[in-house]
Amino acid sequence: DADVTQTPRNRITKTGKRIMLECSQTKGHDRMYWYRQDPGLGLRLIYYSFDVKDINKGEISDGYSVSRQAQAKFSLSLESAIPNQTALYFCATSDPDRESGELFFGEGSRLTVL
Amino acid sequence: GQNIDQPTEMTATEGAIVQINCTYQTSGFNGLFWYQQHAGEAPTFLSYNVLDGLEEKGRFSSFLSRSKGYSYLLLKELQMKDSASYLCVPLDSNYQLIWGAGTKLIIKP
Repeated sequence: DADVTQTPRNRITKTGKRIMLECSQTKGHDRMYWYRQDPGLGLRLIYYSFDVKDINKGEISDGYSVSRQAQAKFSLSLESAIPNQTALYFCATSDPDRESGELFFGEGSRLTVL
Repeated sequence: GQNIDQPTEMTATEGAIVQINCTYQTSGFNGLFWYQQHAGEAPTFLSYNVLDGLEEKGRFSSFLSRSKGYSYLLLKELQMKDSASYLCVPLDSNYQLIWGAGTKLIIKP
C-alpha cells in the first residue's frame, strides 16, 4: 500500500461544482503539502501545513481551501471549480528531522473541469 | 527573482552516460534536490546536496557548486526506464522549494 494516498485519482466535473481531494498518509509526518502541476510547468504550491493547527497559503491559494483533519489527513477543496483549475494535483509529506527533508508524494489526482 | 535553468530536453543512448546541468538563482540557499518524474506520475527523490562536491548513489551522482549556482546530475549505464523528467529544485533562504519544468530525458536503444 502507498504511504501517501490520494482520492480520487481521476475526476471530471463541471464549472461551479464543489470538489474535494483527499490525502492520507501513514508515514507519521507532521508536514503536508498540496501542489498542482500543469503541462510543461513546474509544481506550484497551493497550501501547506506543518502540524494539525498550522495552515499556510502557498503561491497560488486563491480559489482553494484546505482542512487538516488529523496528522494523517489533509484535504484540498475547490469551492466552485473553474476550467483553469484543470490540472494534476499532488499531495506530499515531509519529515523535518531528516537531514534532506525530501518530499514524499502521493500518486496524484487528475482533475478536469469542463 | 528566482530562476532555474535546465535544458528542456536531452536524448541519450541506452548504456551510455548523460549529464544534466542546472544553474539557479535564488534568494539565499539551503540546499538543492534532484527529483525524477515519469510522465503522469509523482516526482521521486533522487538526491540532496547542501555542501559543495559530489554525492554518489548507485548509478546516479549529483554535484553542487554553491559559488557558481551550479549543479549537475550524472546518470551512468542508462536504462530505458531512466526516460523521465529530471527536476533540479533549490531550497531558498525561507526553505521554500523552487520548482522548474525540468529536463525531459529520452533514452534510445
